[in-house]
Amino acid sequence: EAGVAQSPRYKIIEKRQSVAFWCNPISGHATLYWYQQILGQGPKLLIQFQNNGVVDDSQLPKDRFSAERLKGVDSTLKIQPAKLEDSAVYLCASSPQSAGNEQYFGPGTRLTVT
Amino acid sequence: DAKTTQPNSMESNEEEPVHLPCNHSTISGTDYIHWYRQLPSQGPEYVIHGLTSNVNNRMASLAIAEDRKSSTLILHRATLRDAAVYYCILRPRSGTYKYIFGTGTRLKVLA
Repeated sequence: EAGVAQSPRYKIIEKRQSVAFWCNPISGHATLYWYQQILGQGPKLLIQFQNNGVVDDSQLPKDRFSAERLKGVDSTLKIQPAKLEDSAVYLCASSPQSAGNEQYFGPGTRLTVT
Repeated sequence: DAKTTQPNSMESNEEEPVHLPCNHSTISGTDYIHWYRQLPSQGPEYVIHGLTSNVNNRMASLAIAEDRKSSTLILHRATLRDAAVYYCILRPRSGTYKYIFGTGTRLKVLA
């Protein structure tokens, strides 16, 4: 089966610009996650969707980050305006259901903010 | 905050077994122990998980202490492809099933 797809793989922007990342989860997976991974650290959950509803967004900086999952399939994560400290890899993951034992991760988008 | 403690790095010789330890002294009775690994420039991938009993799969074995305050991921024969960061995570049995990743153990495999 096809894995989690993410695009773009790399993005370089200047601070105060906006950027959007796209994620296509594994077909049929109800739960979708966005993580931020800063160099040298483990991934940090930003937001979790169950179908198209938000389950947990407690660590999402809502003044600049937004995410949506229309129709319960694809998802986009947006940053506006970007700051230098947003430089990180943004990982998307999906799992069959909220009680699923495994999360399947995409390859990530590496964002560099200059 | 991460609820697990792992060594920052470990080294192993190729084709030898590797034992990766994890301490989780504050584990609750309903927390599962999950292990993921992250190869360079890739997203994390699932390795194994358990609750109380030792577990085996094609990738690894998971040994869980009787008091569940620690666990060990065992790679039976390390290969160069096993060089990665290994994360030990406690996953609640209910609620949002949220993962909290620590900094993991970077495993270096020597040829």
